[in-house]
Formats: sequence, C-alpha cells, structure tokens
Amino acid sequence: DQQVKQNSPSLSVQEGRISILNCDYTNSMFDYFLWYKKYPAEGPTFLISISSIKDKNEDGRFTVFLNKSAKHLSLHIVPSQPGDSAVYFCAASILSRAAGNKLTFGGGTRVLVKP
Amino acid sequence: EAQVTQNPRYLITVTGKKLTVTCSQNMNHEYMSWYRQDPGLGLRQIYYSMNVEVTDKGDVPEGYKVSRKEKRNFPLILESPSPNQTSLYFCASSFLVVGGYNSPLHFGNGTRLTVT
Repeated sequence: DQQVKQNSPSLSVQEGRISILNCDYTNSMFDYFLWYKKYPAEGPTFLISISSIKDKNEDGRFTVFLNKSAKHLSLHIVPSQPGDSAVYFCAASILSRAAGNKLTFGGGTRVLVKP
Repeated sequence: EAQVTQNPRYLITVTGKKLTVTCSQNMNHEYMSWYRQDPGLGLRQIYYSMNVEVTDKGDVPEGYKVSRKEKRNFPLILESPSPNQTSLYFCASSFLVVGGYNSPLHFGNGTRLTVT
C-alpha cells in the first residue's frame, strides 16, 4: 500500500497562473517532506522541503504547505512559467539516523504550463 | 561539477544474463541509494548504503545486489534479470545530516533497463 499518494496524475495551467499540486500521506511517523522536479531524461532535482514543525515554507515562486492533522501537503507555484513543465514528486522521510535518508515517493504529477 | 554518474543510460538485455549498472558520486557523500521508477508508483528504494561496507535492503530488494567497497561507488547488480525488472533506475547520494535535517538526495540521470 502506497504511504504517499499524489491523486492527480496530471495538471494543465496557463502561464502566469497558480499551479497547486497535492500530496497525501498515511504514515504519521513521517516528519520531513520534500518536493522534487523531474524533466525527461534527467534525474529528479530537489525543489523545496518542509519539516513537520512548520506549516509553510517559501522559496521564491514555490511554497509548500503542510497540514499535519489532515496528513496533507501541497505545493504552490506562483506564477507558473513554461519552464515549470515537468513531473513533480512529493516525498516523505523520517528524520532519524536509523532511517538514513530514505525517501518514500508519491506517484508524481505531470504539470504542463501553457504559454 | 558535483554530480552522480550512472552508466549505462540505456540497456537492453535478455532474461538471465547478469548485468551491472555503475554509480559514482564526486561529492564525498556517505549515503547512497538505488531507486526504481515505475508508472504510477513513483520511485521505490531498492538498496541503500550508509557508508563503506554498510548496505541494507530497501522496499523492493528482491533480485538485486549491491556493494560499497569505496565511498564514491555503489554498483547495482542483477544476477539473473527478469522482465519484471524492466524499469527506470536512479542512483542517489547525500550527506546524512546537515543542520539537523537530512540533506536532499542528489540523483543521477537514470538507466533505462529493458529485460526481454
């Protein structure tokens, strides 16, 4: 059973508008969450992260929101640009030495930003 | 340039023919890991290594082996590949703890494996 789920496999948005990507998780032990972006024929690259002690983290056009009680996080991209067209993966981890740096990934959301 | 290098990028093989996918990183990372990506399932961890000579199973280790004899290298070995191992494979590395948080994983560009 998938512990991290991205229920929207794809999203299409107009350039300049907001993109909202959603992610749900089931394991309450997760305490660190990340978003990765992936272009075709490349590996995923780190975008932004958030610790479970926060409910919001912002980095330029990217903001991640965390709702621990709902076990839900979202990524907002404002404004969306054509270069943002990619697959976005939500990932979760447990911050402990024993867990190493294991990430549990969602299935991904393909974003298409139309000019 | 800091990077994770995987080879080969594409590989087509037949059932049962042993193969190795190499992975090397130049960032002096302690932690290295292999993931496979399948449609709708995201990336799933196969094996990981916390340091030289320390390896352990991830979520989908069956049919795979790894070794960590040097800090920079972490090859993935398929002793007897089967069609269900057809997938896109990613090697990743990171420091373990930076400022109380795990540092982000750096990924290679992937190896597309087809087993017929």
